[in-house]
Amino acid sequence: SQKIEQNSEALNIQEGKTATLTCNYTNYSPAYLQWYRQDPGRGPVFLLLIRENEKEKRKERLKVTFDTTLKQSLFHITASQPADSATYLCALETGANNLFFGTGTRLTVIP
Amino acid sequence: DGGITQSPKYLFRKEGQNVTLSCEQNLNHDAMYWYRQDPGQGLRLIYYSQIVNDFQKGDIAEGYSVSREKKESFPLTVTSAQKNPTAFYLCASSNGGAGGHNEQFFGPGTRLTVL
Repeated sequence: SQKIEQNSEALNIQEGKTATLTCNYTNYSPAYLQWYRQDPGRGPVFLLLIRENEKEKRKERLKVTFDTTLKQSLFHITASQPADSATYLCALETGANNLFFGTGTRLTVIP
Repeated sequence: DGGITQSPKYLFRKEGQNVTLSCEQNLNHDAMYWYRQDPGQGLRLIYYSQIVNDFQKGDIAEGYSVSREKKESFPLTVTSAQKNPTAFYLCASSNGGAGGHNEQFFGPGTRLTVL
């Protein structure tokens, strides 16, 4: 069956360090992989998209990698800040244009 | 302001009652989606619509119904047939794949509680 796993439910990290979140999938062949941020009680907000033929994408302090051989994406936040504390969701897009979401990782950046 | 709105933010319903959740967007997006989010679970797709007057079932459509009479609006009805309706409901819209990807814009959500 199809499955999307994000490495852990919760991740605590010290301010200023790099946070690394993992998204693993099985039985998908995604054309695109997306990352979203969700704050408590609010809707997700799109952050980054990476295509299957791209290895890496950057946006300010964010970096995403996509390894279709390992079926894995890594999401990095460098120089993390308390304001980065949120739940981060990965989502796979197949050719049907629908998104399949992981369960999310709750990141807490400790001052 | 362009965006996607959902109302109400909180909704309480008695068992056995139908209830309709509103979703409106002024982004001129063709595609709209309804998701359900439960604690510890990812977003699960209920229904989606790629164009006006057309919609398809998602992974968990049972007990729900939708309509898409206008491009801007995609209301979701939670019927009494839905066995466990208490959840956080999210509406989203997108260009529906135009340009080759499907970034989705989400509304603020409606938290439905069945008493």
